[in-house]
Amino acid sequence: AQSVTQPDIHITVSEGASLELRCNYSYGATPYLFWYVQSPGQGLQLLLKYFSGDTLVQGIKGFEAEFKRSQSSFNLRKPSVHWSDAAEYFCASARQGGYQKVTFGTGTKLQVIP
Amino acid sequence: EAGVTQFPSHSVIEKGQTVTLRCDPISGHDNLYWYRRVMGKEIKFLLHFVKESKQDESGMPNNRFLAERTGGTYSTLKVQPAELEDSGVYFCASSQDAGLGTDTQYFGPGTRLTVL
Repeated sequence: AQSVTQPDIHITVSEGASLELRCNYSYGATPYLFWYVQSPGQGLQLLLKYFSGDTLVQGIKGFEAEFKRSQSSFNLRKPSVHWSDAAEYFCASARQGGYQKVTFGTGTKLQVIP
Repeated sequence: EAGVTQFPSHSVIEKGQTVTLRCDPISGHDNLYWYRRVMGKEIKFLLHFVKESKQDESGMPNNRFLAERTGGTYSTLKVQPAELEDSGVYFCASSQDAGLGTDTQYFGPGTRLTVL
């Protein structure tokens, strides 16, 4: 069975600092991988996705993520955080082929301080 | 283009009552999914429709939950009777292509259900 682990429940960074949110997946084969963000009062918004090919994926809002098969990781990064990035971030996976039954991690809440 | 919409945004009911949640997917999306997030836990898959047919309902907690998708358009999720442990946020998502493995799910804002 698939599982996604986000080891950090809560992270605080200063505005302008760099950010890395960790995500590890557990699956026999390479899954599809996603990062979603949920801002207060909003739905889940897709930041980026990895299906195949280039392991460094660019997303919206200046985010990127790198797929590392050897570490079963898909960490999310941003070089300079803005106050508006404060939100909850979810890493997710789905098996390749067929429809996507997405498995989510427990989420990481990001707080941005001035 | 309108996104996935859900109604209501919040619902507070008493244990034993019935609640019906509604989801309107993005127009033209054949796939519709329901997920639930119980407080502090991960978002969990409930079920998947392809048009009006249930493709996978393996995540439905028990028979108090009934999902329908009339005519392959909007979907409803009924909880009857509601229990305290049903409290959480219910998300709906839709996607366009089935079976190709590359479709992206677009999520609605969720319905926050509180059972007292």
